[in-house]
Amino acid sequence: NAGVTQTPKFRVLKTGQSMTLLCAQDMNHEYMYWYRQDPGMGLRLIHYSVGEGTTAKGEVPDGYNVSRLKKQNFLLGLESAAPSQTSVYFCASSYSAGNYEQYFGPGTRLTVT
Amino acid sequence: GQQLNQSPQSMFIQEGEDVSMNCTSSSIFNTWLWYKQDPGEGPVLLIALYKAGELTSNGRLTAQFGITRKDSFLNISASIPSDVGIYFCAGPNPNSGYALNFGKGTSLLVTP
Repeated sequence: NAGVTQTPKFRVLKTGQSMTLLCAQDMNHEYMYWYRQDPGMGLRLIHYSVGEGTTAKGEVPDGYNVSRLKKQNFLLGLESAAPSQTSVYFCASSYSAGNYEQYFGPGTRLTVT
Repeated sequence: GQQLNQSPQSMFIQEGEDVSMNCTSSSIFNTWLWYKQDPGEGPVLLIALYKAGELTSNGRLTAQFGITRKDSFLNISASIPSDVGIYFCAGPNPNSGYALNFGKGTSLLVTP
């Protein structure tokens, strides 16, 4: 099993450009999450999904959209990138309700100039 | 979400020393988790705790769920260079579908 994978690993965008980050998991997990990690801030929840076709906002959702069309995939979109979105983005998944054990992907390092 | 305060912020120790770090919450938790993040990698789950007073080991790592349910502790015995990394505590975020709130991490450096 590959676990949780993320593509791309690195990306540089110019302000105003758009992009999509892809997360895939092969563990048949119901729940998936997108976090961002900034120096000194820990990990903060952007959006999450409790199942195929459902998404919800987390702590810092502004400027991001997500989609969960298939159970194994969770996409994070930036419609118009801003320098404040320079960060490392992590996707995570967990099995089901009541299970807090999350498994993380390797991250995407995004720089917006 | 709940505030998680992790301390110390960083530690610089010699190989072979024992390490202790802790995490406190502003509210009661029913689960505590500890993660380790190596440079350039995603966090990896080390230990999960589900019951107040619970003491769980994973190799040289031991974590405890505080009896007040507002704190947790992680100890590393006989540290080795590969223990270098950032250690995060995490607890439930009840408003976000079983997402987690994370502490800001303890950065551990081990010198040979």
